[in-house]
Order: sequence, then C-alpha cells, then structure tokens
Amino acid sequence: KAGVTQTPRYLIKTRGQQVTLSCSPISGHRSVSWYQQTPGQGLQFLFEYFSETQRNKGNFPGRFSGRQFSNSRSEMNVSTLELGDSALYLCASSSQDRAGYTFGSGTRLTVV
Amino acid sequence: SQELEQSPQSLIVQEGKNLTINCTSSKTLYGLYWYKQKYGEGLIFLMMLQKGGEEKSHEKITAKLDEKKQQSSLHITASQPSHAGIYLCGAGNTGNQFYFGTGTSLTVIP
Repeated sequence: KAGVTQTPRYLIKTRGQQVTLSCSPISGHRSVSWYQQTPGQGLQFLFEYFSETQRNKGNFPGRFSGRQFSNSRSEMNVSTLELGDSALYLCASSSQDRAGYTFGSGTRLTVV
Repeated sequence: SQELEQSPQSLIVQEGKNLTINCTSSKTLYGLYWYKQKYGEGLIFLMMLQKGGEEKSHEKITAKLDEKKQQSSLHITASQPSHAGIYLCGAGNTGNQFYFGTGTSLTVIP
C-alpha cells in the first residue's frame, strides 16, 4: 500500500510569507502528526490530528497551525515566516491504536 | 516533559564491527520505537518494543527494552555501510505526545 506522501518536497519562501504543507496518510490511518526537525533542536512535535480534530499540540507559537480533512489528509500552515522556521517538516500517520508511526519523506522548507 | 537521551551521540565504526546504541528515558516508557534516518530524508521505522524484556530482531539489528531501567538498546551486528545514518528512538507519553531521542549519528567505514 502507498506510504505517507508529503508535498512539496522542497520549498523556498521569503520572510513574512506564509506556507502550506500537505500530508496524505496511509490509507486507513486516521491520525496524522507533524514534526519539525532542525540541526539545533532535533525533532520536535508540532501537533497531532485525529478524525479532523487536533488531539494534541506541542510548544510552538500560534503562527503554526494545521487542519485535517474528512479523508484524513492534513495540512500544516506557517504564517509570517521567520528565518528560524527553516527546517525539515515531517508528518507521520498511525492507526487508532498508535501501534506504529509511519513517516513521510518530509518537506524541506528554506526561508530566505 | 519526557526526555529521551541517546548515547553515544555519534559513532564511527569499521565495517564488520558490532555496535550498540542506547536510549534512556526520564519517565516511564509506554512502548519504544526505533527509527533510522538518512540525512535530509524521512524516518524509516525499524521496530517497536512494547513490553519489558521484549527483544526484536530484523536482519542484523536487534533491539531490547528494559522497562525497569527505562532504557532500550539497539545492537547492530557486523555493520555495513548501508547501516550508516541517524538512529532515533521515540516514545509516547500519557499526554498523547510523541517524543524523539537526541539521535545517534552512525558512520561505517568500508
């Protein structure tokens, strides 16, 4: 079966702009989590959505938001981009019992 | 918050050598995951351990979970260049959040 698909793979944005990243989970998975990975901070949890509801949220400013659609696809939005937002953004999907998390290949965001 | 400390932070080994990576949690573990990541790419799921004393193997990689010590170890036997990458442990907590370890960078010299 198809894995977790993230689009786009690479993105370059200017400070102050906003960006939307997309994540399509494995078919049948209803949970989607988002993570930010930077050299300095490592992998950090952003938020998790389950059945279109945000189930948990990490310690990130309100500029980071997300949503999940009825087909479980999820989008993450970052407004008023800052240079420090440059990172690899990963999403992962899991089944209801969280027996395992499958990650996408990530979206590499560069803010200039 | 839950913290997962990995050791060593980086490892350089000669091809064919065995190695062990440790992951220690500051809180009770409710399952422990191991992932491998090539630079700039997504994470590849290796295995999940759910019960204390559980041990799983996949090809030349073996992972164990010691619930009492709140620790897991990942052992690679007869390492190969294809094993190179960043190894991450991960765990969930009662707050439904998922945390990753600090990571271990592995280099295998042919």
